Amino acid sequence: AQSVTQLDSHVSVSEGTPVLLRCNYSSSYSPSLFWYVQHPNKGLQLLLKYTSAATLVKGINGFEAEFKKSETSFHLTKPSAHMSDAAEYFCVVSESRGGADGLTFGKGTHLIIQP
Amino acid sequence: NAGVTQTPKFQVLKTGQSMTLQCAQDMNHNSMYWYRQDPGMGLRLIYYSASEGTTDKGEVPNGYNVSRLNKREFSLRLESAAPSQTSVYFCATGRYRGNTEAFFGQGTRLTVV
Repeated sequence: AQSVTQLDSHVSVSEGTPVLLRCNYSSSYSPSLFWYVQHPNKGLQLLLKYTSAATLVKGINGFEAEFKKSETSFHLTKPSAHMSDAAEYFCVVSESRGGADGLTFGKGTHLIIQP
Repeated sequence: NAGVTQTPKFQVLKTGQSMTLQCAQDMNHNSMYWYRQDPGMGLRLIYYSASEGTTDKGEVPNGYNVSRLNKREFSLRLESAAPSQTSVYFCATGRYRGNTEAFFGQGTRLTVV
């Protein structure tokens, strides 16, 4: 079975400072991992994905994430936060065996950007 | 190219009423999913359809039924709505089951009073 834990329910940073959103996963098979972003009253948009190629993955809007198998982590980072980054972020795992459950979502991290 | 379209966007139901949430995709994807989103819970899978003609239960199927009408359309039905079903519902699609990203509709905000 697969699962994902987002270690912080809320993260607050100042505009222009780095962002770190933490995610640990559990999977019995080789997982694929994703980060999605949800702006208020909107659907979910894919930020980036890891599917067993390069362990450092670059996404949209300057975000990137590093897959660390030894630590079972897939943390999301951005060097400099922008006000428009304020949103809910979801870490998602999917097993490569073609898991019957599709995607498993973390509970989300609410990112707050202070001016 | 609309992607994934959900209707309606908002709905208020009385306890015991029924309704169907509609989802249509023009991405030619095989897999379709229904999720519900509740505060602090992330998204939880209600039902999914790996291909036309097949449906399977997800994590929280009780109180719901689904129909995969054709490759494009996947509907979610609440036969007798309960306040516990107040939530935001998302339809999603994927090229195939498993380790591929999903593409989401804009959501349906349902309130059951």
